[in-house]
Amino acid sequence: DSGVTQTPKHLITATGQRVTLRCSPRSGDLSVYWYQQSLDQGLQFLIHYYNGEERAKGNILERFSAQQFPDLHSELNLSSLELGDSALYFCASSVRLATSTDTQYFGPGTRLTVL
Amino acid sequence: DQQVKQNSPSLSVQEGRISILNCDYTNSMFDYFLWYKKYPAEGPTFLISISSIKDKNEDGRFTVFLNKSAKHLSLHIVPSQPGDSAVYFCAASAGYQLIWGAGTKLIIKP
Repeated sequence: DSGVTQTPKHLITATGQRVTLRCSPRSGDLSVYWYQQSLDQGLQFLIHYYNGEERAKGNILERFSAQQFPDLHSELNLSSLELGDSALYFCASSVRLATSTDTQYFGPGTRLTVL
Repeated sequence: DQQVKQNSPSLSVQEGRISILNCDYTNSMFDYFLWYKKYPAEGPTFLISISSIKDKNEDGRFTVFLNKSAKHLSLHIVPSQPGDSAVYFCAASAGYQLIWGAGTKLIIKP
């Protein structure tokens, strides 16, 4: 158990809908990262928050948005869903800001299926 | 444009032998490389890392080698154990981002 929790575990929805994925980081971790893993592919970095502020954006679509709240939990909002958005969405947390030397701890992921 | 490539989708190794997982990268500005291991229905877990100023890092049964001139790194697992069966991801650090390979599924045969 990494200490990072993600809800829900599974989500099935229809095209055009909007969903919210939730992540609670490990106690004391200030950084939260969101990743998308499509079938048989590597993890694609979406966005990074540190202590409530957005620090870096990766290949995140404009239909997607995220935020980190004062209690440090984070939500990833996906709207106008398309079939291609079906994927595993991982959240990770780390203590500090830098990715180079700071281990990221991953949650179990949310499997999103868009029908 | 895949900056980090793991060209072997899967690898099968006899228990007790050496497992060698490979990773190639294209961006010479990467300053840190990491290996993560992933079991089904779980998130990736950190395994071992190496700074770009080193060419080897060892942690128990796991050793990572970095060849900067070839832009290649490899993870050696000796001896391989059944619990090592998992998907292994190579990742490279580029500022605040980690760039990930597609993963190699390692199967340890009894």
